[in-house]
Amino acid sequence: DGGITQSPKYLFRKEGQNVTLSCEQNLNHDAMYWYRQDPGQGLRLIYYSQIVNDFQKGDIAEGYSVSREKKESFPLTVTSAQKNPTAFYLCASSRDRGPAGANVLTFGAGSRLTVL
Amino acid sequence: RKEVEQDPGPFNVPEGATVAFNCTYSNSASQSFFWYRQDCRKEPKLLMSVYSSGNEDGRFTAQLNRASQYISLLIRDSKLSDSATYLCVVNGRSSNTGKLIFGQGTTLQVKP
Repeated sequence: DGGITQSPKYLFRKEGQNVTLSCEQNLNHDAMYWYRQDPGQGLRLIYYSQIVNDFQKGDIAEGYSVSREKKESFPLTVTSAQKNPTAFYLCASSRDRGPAGANVLTFGAGSRLTVL
Repeated sequence: RKEVEQDPGPFNVPEGATVAFNCTYSNSASQSFFWYRQDCRKEPKLLMSVYSSGNEDGRFTAQLNRASQYISLLIRDSKLSDSATYLCVVNGRSSNTGKLIFGQGTTLQVKP
């Protein structure tokens, strides 16, 4: 079955450590996205990529980095520069790379990061 | 003012009730509108897109009011399984990016 796989599902990190969250899709979607969700807030866009080897900052990119070397993969690194990294991280993909907003998002099951 | 605003609720309704949620958006140029459903500690899943003429999918009806800049979701004959958070999603200011704006969600609890 096609879908998006995120790993790990739960991750604990000590302050000062970088961690990388994996996101793999076999939907053959062009565009991929990373969102962060905090309690009582809507999803906020961290980074997105509309094509391989290209990505753009979202609203809250500081302290995060991404790469898009393959169409299927869009890993997110949470660096030690991210001040409040504890959150639920959601990866998503969509079929087309434009026009924006017309694309339906398919989400992975999420990765829950806790900083100790 | 938030770009997309929803009443967080919770809305507590008995089974069989009809319930409606509204969502307001600030960008009058927005073109795409969606309702997503998110179960507790799970990922959001598309419930339905919202079309200009309004659309219906079984017990669910979505409406768009461009003049007042809001979308609505009506659920008829509520089921226990409808209990979830409903996210309003609107495309953002720039039409050249893949940016969708999510509301904080409205929580629905359907009681027996």
